[in-house]
This record gives sequence, C-alpha cells and structure tokens, in this order.
Amino acid sequence: GDSVTQMEGPVTLSEEAFLTINCTYTATGYPSLFWYVQYPGEGLQLLLKATKADDKGSNKGFEATYRKETTSFHLEKGSVQVSDSAVYFCALKGSGKSTFGDGTTLTVKP
Amino acid sequence: DGGITQSPKYLFRKEGQNVTLSCEQNLNHDAMYWYRQDPGQGLRLIYYSQIVNDFQKGDIAEGYSVSREKKESFPLTVTSAQKNPTAFYLCASTDRDGRNTIYFGEGSWLTVV
Repeated sequence: GDSVTQMEGPVTLSEEAFLTINCTYTATGYPSLFWYVQYPGEGLQLLLKATKADDKGSNKGFEATYRKETTSFHLEKGSVQVSDSAVYFCALKGSGKSTFGDGTTLTVKP
Repeated sequence: DGGITQSPKYLFRKEGQNVTLSCEQNLNHDAMYWYRQDPGQGLRLIYYSQIVNDFQKGDIAEGYSVSREKKESFPLTVTSAQKNPTAFYLCASTDRDGRNTIYFGEGSWLTVV
C-alpha cells in the first residue's frame, strides 16, 4: 500500500536559519503530494501541494518540488521565523485514501 | 465562509459512557473522515464515508461508530468499548476528485475522567 516517510523530529532552529524537512513516499500511479501544518491545539491546514511530477508547490516562503525519480517531496524554507514553529505533515493522495507521515515538530528560537 | 465545524472543542467522558462528537461541513464535499491523534503522534484513520448512507472502517475502528445520514454531517460516537479514548479527534472532508486537498476541522479533545 501507499506510505509516507518523513524526517524524524524534533527539529530546533534559530530564527533566519534554513529549513529542510525530508519526505519520501511509496505509491502506485501518480499521487498528489501535500504538506500540512498544525499549530498547537488546532487542526491541520494545507501549506502547499503539487499534483504532478516536477511541479513546485509554494506558500508563505515554503517550497517543495515533486520529484518522481527520487519519490520525494522535501519541504524547504530559506529563512524561518518563530511563528513557523509547528508540526509539519507530509501526505499523499492517490486513488485510495490519503496517507500521512508521522509529522515533524519544528521549534524556531529567537 | 465554507469550512468544517467540530463540536464540542473539549469533552469529558466518564467510564462506561458513550459520547458523540459532531462534525458539520458546508463545503459540499462528498467524502468525510475521522482521525485520531495522540499527543506527539501522527494521524490514524478511524472511519470514512465517501457518500451518504455509506461508510467504511479505517485502521482503528474498534470502539467507535459513525453515521452519514446527511451529506453535511458525519458524527462520531466513542463507545464504552473504546478502552483508551483520551485523544484529539479530527474531522476532515474532501470532494470526489481524489486528488484534491483534505480540509480539517479544528479538532475535539476528549478526556476520560
């Protein structure tokens, strides 16, 4: 079946540091790929998505590129802020149900 | 604004009680889902429904029940058979196009007292 593996956390960075959270997937066919963000005590919100190979999703300074050859969808941001502290989930949606990674907790210190 | 409304935000259950979590959406989505999230953990699928009057078990359905009598509503009942129900519960929906975004509610905290 489908699966998503993302970088284990927690990740702690200083403000303005570069962020990478790795995500790789296993799926049949051509799934859509997503990054969701969850702030404390809240539901998940869509951060960005990509629906086909080589697409780049971007939002709020975050980017991720759909790499079919490496089955990856790594999340990056050039300069993180304290307000980016949250849990980040990588997910895929193919022909079946959505599949989520286990989440990566990011803490950004001033 | 369209979205998903979950209620209550906080709920306390005594041993042996059944409790029901409400989930309503005005996005006109066909598919709805219930997930459980334990502290510091990922999401686990409890039940899902792709159309009115039909639903399927997810990965951890034991001790839970659902109904889907209306397109807008997908309530989750946590029964007394669920021995460890303390968790954060998330309702979600998506439209029939399987490639689209999942939209989540704000979640409900259930605590056993």
